[in-house]
Amino acid sequence: GENVEQHPSTLSVQEGDSAVIKCTYSDSASNYFPWYKQELGKRPQLIIDIRSNVGEKKDQRIAVTLNKTAKHFSLHITETQPEDSAVYFCAASRGDMRFGAGTRLTVKP
Amino acid sequence: DTAVSQTPKYLVTQMGNDKSIKCEQNLGHDTMYWYKQDSKKFLKIMFSYNNKELIINETVPNRFSPKSPDKAHLNLHINSLELGDSAVYFCASSPPGTLQETQYFGPGTRLLVL
Repeated sequence: GENVEQHPSTLSVQEGDSAVIKCTYSDSASNYFPWYKQELGKRPQLIIDIRSNVGEKKDQRIAVTLNKTAKHFSLHITETQPEDSAVYFCAASRGDMRFGAGTRLTVKP
Repeated sequence: DTAVSQTPKYLVTQMGNDKSIKCEQNLGHDTMYWYKQDSKKFLKIMFSYNNKELIINETVPNRFSPKSPDKAHLNLHINSLELGDSAVYFCASSPPGTLQETQYFGPGTRLLVL
């Protein structure tokens, strides 16, 4: 089955800096790659997703890149703000979604 | 309010008891899921139902039994609760079509087994 690895497990940045979270997946048939944000005590919520026919997608301060050949994808957050602090999960799916272990992002004011 | 809802929000119970968690979605989605999130925040899929039919059943003890009375509901019954069952359980649903779709999560049920 699919195996998704996510790095780093924790990330601390200064407000205004960029944050990058990377994920790799094992199943070349996976074709849908969402990213979820989970604030403390809350449910995971989709922030951006990308499908395998696209290499990059951007939505305001967040962007995701996908390298199908290398089987890795990344989340980029620019101009980070304290409210970006949360746990971020990547996932890969070809019908059964598998989540990475999560990255706890802390943005220091 | 259109959403995925779960009850109860919190559940504290003794080892050995049997408990149920209910999930309902009014988004018109065909597929529903149960996830377990442990203390290290790892999200692991347990079950997936599409139009009331089981399509994913991970390696979950058979003490856990999902029940889908209709495509808007997916309940989780747990028999003989153990300490290791303590976790947050999330229900989720995704739109019709394929499984490769955005999943919308419920608020979670925090289960504590004493």
